[in-house]
Formats: sequence, C-alpha cells, structure tokens
Amino acid sequence: NFMLTQPHSVSESPGKTVTISCTRSSGSIASNYVQWYQQRPGSAPTTVIYEDNQRPSGVPDRFSGSIDSSSNSASLTISGLKTEDEADYYCQSYDSSNGVFGGGTKLTVL
Amino acid sequence: EVQLLESGGGLVQPGGSLRLSCAASGFTFSSYAMSWVRQAPGKGLEWVSAISGSGGSTYYADSVKGRFTISRDNSKNTLYLQMNSLRAEDTAVYYCATPYYYDSSGYPKGGWGQGTLVTVSS
Repeated sequence: NFMLTQPHSVSESPGKTVTISCTRSSGSIASNYVQWYQQRPGSAPTTVIYEDNQRPSGVPDRFSGSIDSSSNSASLTISGLKTEDEADYYCQSYDSSNGVFGGGTKLTVL
Repeated sequence: EVQLLESGGGLVQPGGSLRLSCAASGFTFSSYAMSWVRQAPGKGLEWVSAISGSGGSTYYADSVKGRFTISRDNSKNTLYLQMNSLRAEDTAVYYCATPYYYDSSGYPKGGWGQGTLVTVSS
C-alpha cells in the first residue's frame, strides 16, 4: 500500500499561478493514473483532471496536471487564479484496483 | 446531461444496515467502473469500494471489507452499496462517482453525485 501526500494548504493572489503537489510514498507515480478533484465549500467534488493530465469538458484550460517521476509526484497547476478557484483539492490514484486519496489541499485565493 | 442521484441515506443505530442507491443517466452506465467515496464530517475524501462495468469485479477498502457489498444493475442504470454492521465511524456523506465518462456527444465529463448522508448513532 502507498500514501499520497499533499500540502495541507496553499495561498496565492488572484491572477497568479499556483501548483499543488501530490507525492506517492512508494511505487512509481507513473504506475497508475492520477486524478484531481475540486471541492468547493458545501458542494460535492468535481473532476478537474483525470488520467494525469486530461481535462473534462467544461474545465478551464487554466487547470493542468502533470507527473514527475524524478520526485515521484503529481502536480495540479492553476494559472490566472480566480476567487472562484478557492476550494479543497484532492489527488487520487490506484493501488492495484483500490483507490487512494491524498489528504487534500485547501487553496485560498486572497 | 449526466446525473448521478444517490438515495437511501439516513439515521441508523450501530450494528444496523442501510442500502444506498445511485441512479445514473446521460451516459452508457455499463461501460464504466463506478465507485463509492465517503467524506466524514470535516474530513477528507475516502475511497470505499469500486465495481467494474460488467459487475464481475469488486474492490473494497480494508475499513469496510466484509461489511459492505457493492453491486450494480446495468438494466436499471443503478449502483448499490449494501452496508451492514454499521459503526459510528461509518458516519459520512457517501458519493457515487466515476472519474470521467464520455457523454452522448463524445466529450469527456467528470461524474460525481451530490451525496447522501449516513449517520450511525444510537
């Protein structure tokens, strides 16, 4: 079994770019696809990135995903930050066929 | 438009049972593996269980193995979670989800329901 570790919180100003990391504790980050979910306060999660770097239709291209084998981590980058991006973000991958979530990162846009 | 509508949540005593349902529409349900994900009050997301598109393969978190059973009826486009021997720590909002699906126009969309609250308390 492995864990996905995310920073507890990040903050940045509107218009800037922020990157949220998700580090896999064991095994290769490239072994299984990584998804990213956004959860605004009081709402259900939504998918912003699937299969490492794919965006569902309707998700702005300000959102991008990547993986880095050298640091064994995945990253979610949000450019041109808007106040509406303020939310919790969760990475998720698979251990064999079981799902694993990161602990979540609270993004504050101030 | 895709909809995933959960139902069946409520208040149950420790040791009791509940059956959650998730009615799907707007996509070819049988083509996609589906999952149940839960979120305890004030906590993060926790993966609970998943099932293949055909229903032939099922997977469970260690925390629910032996107590919860996932199933699906593709003729009814419905996903289920039978929860037995419920504990206080099972109290959470339960979501049905699939990371993505392709809609009728061929566009990828994310798929999460709005959730149903399960409260285990005496």
